[in-house]
Amino acid sequence: DAKTTQPPSMDCAEGRAANLPCNHSTISGNEYVYWYRQIHSQGPQYIIHGLKNNETNEMASLIITEDRKSSTLILPHATLRDTAVYYCIVRVGGRNQGGKLIFGQGTELSVKP
Amino acid sequence: DVKVTQSSRYLVKRTGEKVFLECVQDMDHENMFWYRQDPGLGLRLIYFSYDVKMKEKGDIPEGYSVSREKKERFSLILESASTNQTSMYLCASSTPRSEQYFGPGTRLTVT
Repeated sequence: DAKTTQPPSMDCAEGRAANLPCNHSTISGNEYVYWYRQIHSQGPQYIIHGLKNNETNEMASLIITEDRKSSTLILPHATLRDTAVYYCIVRVGGRNQGGKLIFGQGTELSVKP
Repeated sequence: DVKVTQSSRYLVKRTGEKVFLECVQDMDHENMFWYRQDPGLGLRLIYFSYDVKMKEKGDIPEGYSVSREKKERFSLILESASTNQTSMYLCASSTPRSEQYFGPGTRLTVT
């Protein structure tokens, strides 16, 4: 079972920030939070990941609460091309796990003009 | 850029046929993965491999096998395709500690 909980859907106006929440209350100390997105009919695309500090890259920012039980993915200026399903994933550790990911249902983000 | 390619975007096979889905990555990644994706069920891990000739069962391995004879290639085999294996199949690769890079997917229809 997925170790994360996300709202099934969200809307965002084009040009505004999209804030996607994720709950991972059972996360272990050495587990990372990963975010992927999947645009319709394509393979998932990596966005960002973090352990305990906030992270930013060219695509998004990741805010992780101090207790690490939840996080928020921020798309600072959403465009229509950001319409996709966004997955928050806690990564299973250990070499014999191969870094496997357990995908939940994700949040379907609709960016509207 | 990392590139993960899958042999076909669309495939139609008959019940009982043996089906091979091929995945190739060009980044010398140790780990490779096969998922299937179905509406309402999300992505589910079928098998993964963390080294050549090594394989581990994922969450839904029944009805599937895999082969990894070379580092860059990971094959998913349906020994005798059934209609409940109609699905989108996604391959991914990664290093042991990096993010996974996904291929474009193969939409398999079994009739």
